Amino acid sequence: ETGVTQTPRHLVMGMTNKKSLKCEQHLGHNAMYWYKQSAKKPLELMFVYSLEERVENNSVPSRFSPECPNSSHLFLHLHTLQPEDSALYLCASSQEMGDSKLAKNIQYFGAGTRLSVL
Amino acid sequence: AQSVTQLDSHVSVSEGTPVLLRCNYSSSYSPSLFWYVQHPNKGLQLLLKYTSAATLVKGINGFEAEFKKSETSFHLTKPSAHMSDAAEYFCVVSGPKGTSYGKLTFGQGTILTVHP
Repeated sequence: ETGVTQTPRHLVMGMTNKKSLKCEQHLGHNAMYWYKQSAKKPLELMFVYSLEERVENNSVPSRFSPECPNSSHLFLHLHTLQPEDSALYLCASSQEMGDSKLAKNIQYFGAGTRLSVL
Repeated sequence: AQSVTQLDSHVSVSEGTPVLLRCNYSSSYSPSLFWYVQHPNKGLQLLLKYTSAATLVKGINGFEAEFKKSETSFHLTKPSAHMSDAAEYFCVVSGPKGTSYGKLTFGQGTILTVHP
């Protein structure tokens, strides 16, 4: 196990539903990430949180709403999704060194939530 | 901007034979490079990383990769494939200089199949 736990592992939802994905890291890291992995496409970074503050939002539609209540937990709230949002959503964490440094530290990934939007 | 190209979408080998997964990168600075593996229904696991130390990097499970700046390559190799190596492999480059918080660019992935 990598120390990053995601729940649920699978989720099926209709386009009018509201659901949330949860990620918890037990590694004492200070940064957490949401990625989207779609079939036949590279992993796409969605959001980055550092010390519970959002530091990156990669032009993600507003129907995805992240929340980071503390450094160990990260949520992705979903509402009025579209079928093309069906994908594997991966959470990761790392220990980052600060603003001016390249990210040389390793990201540890959870097993992901497989989301299907009907 | 940085980019990563994995030259093969699928690689098939027989158990006990060598593995070569090819990766080329593009970057305007000295990047950090990683290889991750993803087994079915699992998250990504780090195999190895290069961060400007030794150019030949040894990772877990017998994998290694060599950073060749002149060729802008970071190919992943293993002398002898095992059935448990069957998975998807991702070559990854760290974000542009000046950005923080672990911005990574992923390749498209290479699916490795190992035949008995």
